[in-house]
Amino acid sequence: GIQVEQSPPDLILQEGANSTLRCNFSDSVNNLQWFHQNPWGQLINLFYIPSGTKQNGRLSATTVATERYSLLYISSSQTTDSGVYFCAVDRTDKLIFGTGTRLQVFP
Amino acid sequence: GAGVSQSPSNKVTEKGKDVELRCDPISGHTALYWYRQSLGQGLEFLIYFQGNSAPDKSGLPSDRFSAERTGGSVSTLTIQRTQQEDSAVYLCASSFERAYNEQFFGPGTRLTVL
Repeated sequence: GIQVEQSPPDLILQEGANSTLRCNFSDSVNNLQWFHQNPWGQLINLFYIPSGTKQNGRLSATTVATERYSLLYISSSQTTDSGVYFCAVDRTDKLIFGTGTRLQVFP
Repeated sequence: GAGVSQSPSNKVTEKGKDVELRCDPISGHTALYWYRQSLGQGLEFLIYFQGNSAPDKSGLPSDRFSAERTGGSVSTLTIQRTQQEDSAVYLCASSFERAYNEQFFGPGTRLTVL
């Protein structure tokens, strides 16, 4: 089946720093989503981005489908950005999740 | 409702008992999914419904797990004769019309089997 790899696995930042999270996938996909899992476990939708670039406030994402990767950019990080970021891809009728990037932002 | 809702939020049960977990999808969403998140396995797919039919049950880990959906809306995931390895957070998601569309997740049910 399709493999989804995320890097880095852990990231520690000081408030105000910028970061880039990467998601590599092993086959063509119909859908790619980025989620933020907050400390209470809720998966919050960040982007639905099977291809192209999108921006939402301090966050932006780019998916290059032909090269099978997606990037999530976080600028001017805040402590509320802490949590786990998941990339998930959909090839048939289900989302396949990566193992996540755990982000800690300190004041 | 405004989002996907799940109940109960927490469930503690004894090994060997049956449990039922409920999911209410976003109104108008015809596709519904169950996933589970455990420490050892990460986030994994269990079952997909389109309307009341389940074209993909490939993620159900054993025949102790079953799910149904009625009226194209509410879904129930049933685990019979629970085992300690069933302890996990069970997440429900829904999407508009079909697979490939954006999925939205509920808050999950944390199941603990003693």
